[in-house]
Amino acid sequence: KAGVTQTPRYLIKTRGQQVTLSCSPISGHRSVSWYQQTPGQGLQFLFEYFSETQRNKGNFPGRFSGRQFSNSRSEMNVSTLELGDSALYLCASSPDRGRDEQFFGPGTRLTVL
Amino acid sequence: AQSVTQLGSHVSVSEGALVLLRCNYSSSVPPYLFWYVQYPNQGLQLLLKYTSAATLVKGINGFEAEFKKSETSFHLTKPSAHMSDAAEYFCAVSGGGGFKTIFGAGTRLFVKA
Repeated sequence: KAGVTQTPRYLIKTRGQQVTLSCSPISGHRSVSWYQQTPGQGLQFLFEYFSETQRNKGNFPGRFSGRQFSNSRSEMNVSTLELGDSALYLCASSPDRGRDEQFFGPGTRLTVL
Repeated sequence: AQSVTQLGSHVSVSEGALVLLRCNYSSSVPPYLFWYVQYPNQGLQLLLKYTSAATLVKGINGFEAEFKKSETSFHLTKPSAHMSDAAEYFCAVSGGGGFKTIFGAGTRLFVKA
């Protein structure tokens, strides 16, 4: 089976712009989670989607949003980018049970100038 | 509520020495516990998981972890470190209300020749 794929791998934006990141989960996985990883804050949970519904959300401002499509692919969007949004954004998929292990993609490295 | 504490943000060992990475958890329900490894510029990869079966769990690359309920610990060990073990290691817990996996802050392992 193909692993979790994320596009693009690298992205450079300027403050005030918006960005959309994409994640394709492992075939058959219905749960997709997003994380932000920075050197200072570590791995922080953004949100989790299951069957097109947001099932859980972390403590991030409303500028961070996401969605999941019927084929389980997911996108996350960040509007009005700030310098502090520079991070590695990781997507992870898992089968439908909430306590399953997660399979991570390689991440999208976002740099905000 | 669930939480994970990893003791030591950085651990340095000599090649061939014992690796011990510490993880303590808090959970109001029987937890599922995980160790993940992250190599530079990559996503996280599952090393091993505990799901209430055997308390001593063996994972990939010679790693193992022991679940100790009385100590609320799930420490990761490897008898003999190899240079290729240099990476960041994350302990995680899932279960309870919601479908979130909570990650620890991570421990960076350095292996000296």
